[in-house]
Amino acid sequence: DGGITQSPKYLFRKEGQNVTLSCEQNLNHDAMYWYRQDPGQGLRLIYYSQIVNDFQKGDIAEGYSVSREKKESFPLTVTSAQKNPTAFYLCASSMSAYINQPQHFGDGTRLSIL
Amino acid sequence: AQKVTQAQTEISVVEKEDVTLDCVYETRDTTYYLFWYKQPPSGELVFLIRRNSFDEQNEISGRYSWNFQKSTSSFNFTITASQVVDSAVYFCALSEFSGGTSYGKLTFGQGTILTVHP
Repeated sequence: DGGITQSPKYLFRKEGQNVTLSCEQNLNHDAMYWYRQDPGQGLRLIYYSQIVNDFQKGDIAEGYSVSREKKESFPLTVTSAQKNPTAFYLCASSMSAYINQPQHFGDGTRLSIL
Repeated sequence: AQKVTQAQTEISVVEKEDVTLDCVYETRDTTYYLFWYKQPPSGELVFLIRRNSFDEQNEISGRYSWNFQKSTSSFNFTITASQVVDSAVYFCALSEFSGGTSYGKLTFGQGTILTVHP
């Protein structure tokens, strides 16, 4: 079945450690996104990519990095510079980044600090 | 200022009650899109509906209906005869053009937690 796969489901980070969250899609979508969700809050955009080999910062990119070397994959690295990384991270994709395209979401990765 | 406001943080109803989730948005654009998503306990967001700014016709899909009113900048969502399976967090979102490009920036409201009791 087509969809978005995020892994791992749960992740723990030690102080000073970088961790990478995986996001893979087989929907043949051009655009991909990373969001952060904190309790009681809506989703906030971290990074987005309109096409392979291109990506742009969202509203809260500090302390995060991404790559888009393949159309299917958009991994997110949470670096040690992100001082408050505990959150639920959601990856999404859409056919294109055009204004009318609905985004389709994975089932998320929950990141916690050890 | 909040671009998308969902004033109801939590709503609790008993099965078979009707429930309306409010969404008020703010934009200066004439072309924009509004979305509703459902987030069940499993975590993924499920796309429910899309509405463009030029189409104020209300829509019904089974037990779900949506009321779009540009005059009040609202896009409310009603569930008729609610069921336990409707329990989830519901998000309203606004998509506008960003930075003079064709990229649509999606801004989410804070979500409404709906609990339907048997």
